[in-house]
Amino acid sequence: EDQVTQSPEALRLQEGESSSLNCSYTVSGLRGLFWYRQDPGKGPEFLFTLYSAGEEKEKERLKATLTKKESFLHITAPKPEDSATYLCAVSTGTYKYIFGTGTRLKVLA
Amino acid sequence: DAGVTQSPTHLIKTRGQQVTLRCSPKSGHDTVSWYQQALGQGPQFIFQYYEEEERQRGNFPDRFSGHQFPNYSSELNVNALLLGDSALYLCASSQTMEETQYFGPGTRLLVL
Repeated sequence: EDQVTQSPEALRLQEGESSSLNCSYTVSGLRGLFWYRQDPGKGPEFLFTLYSAGEEKEKERLKATLTKKESFLHITAPKPEDSATYLCAVSTGTYKYIFGTGTRLKVLA
Repeated sequence: DAGVTQSPTHLIKTRGQQVTLRCSPKSGHDTVSWYQQALGQGPQFIFQYYEEEERQRGNFPDRFSGHQFPNYSSELNVNALLLGDSALYLCASSQTMEETQYFGPGTRLLVL
């Protein structure tokens, strides 16, 4: 069965304390892996798309990496405004999209 | 460049009623997907529309149906509402042959 699992469920960091979020997946025919940021009560905001193992993408303090079984979202020197829920999703060979339950990140000043 | 728009923003219905939610995709996008997001959970894929047809469907009952219009906008219909249908309903759009989806702000549905 296609599945996406994110860890940890919640993470509290001090401002400037770097860390990584994990997304492990088992899918048949991965077409793409996506990271989104979601603020409370709002729609997910697109961050990255990764297509193949070994691929990396960066944006400001965020860097996403992909292996054959998992993806990491690295947050370098986070700021309080980085506090949000980070969602990982995959698209399968049959046009289905599967999301994880997210990691709730809180960055303390 | 307008992003994905959804209407209404909030809606309150009672059990057994029917509801229609609307979505306009991002400019240049022709594929629309709908998701249900319960509080504290990740979005659950309902279905995807492409070329005015349902291309793929998640594990949702037939009470959930949709439509895509020639201008690529879309509607989500839910019949015989249950309390458990209370959630944030998200619309996402993408371009043909592109996997990346962009989301709208969502419609918050409360069923009493």
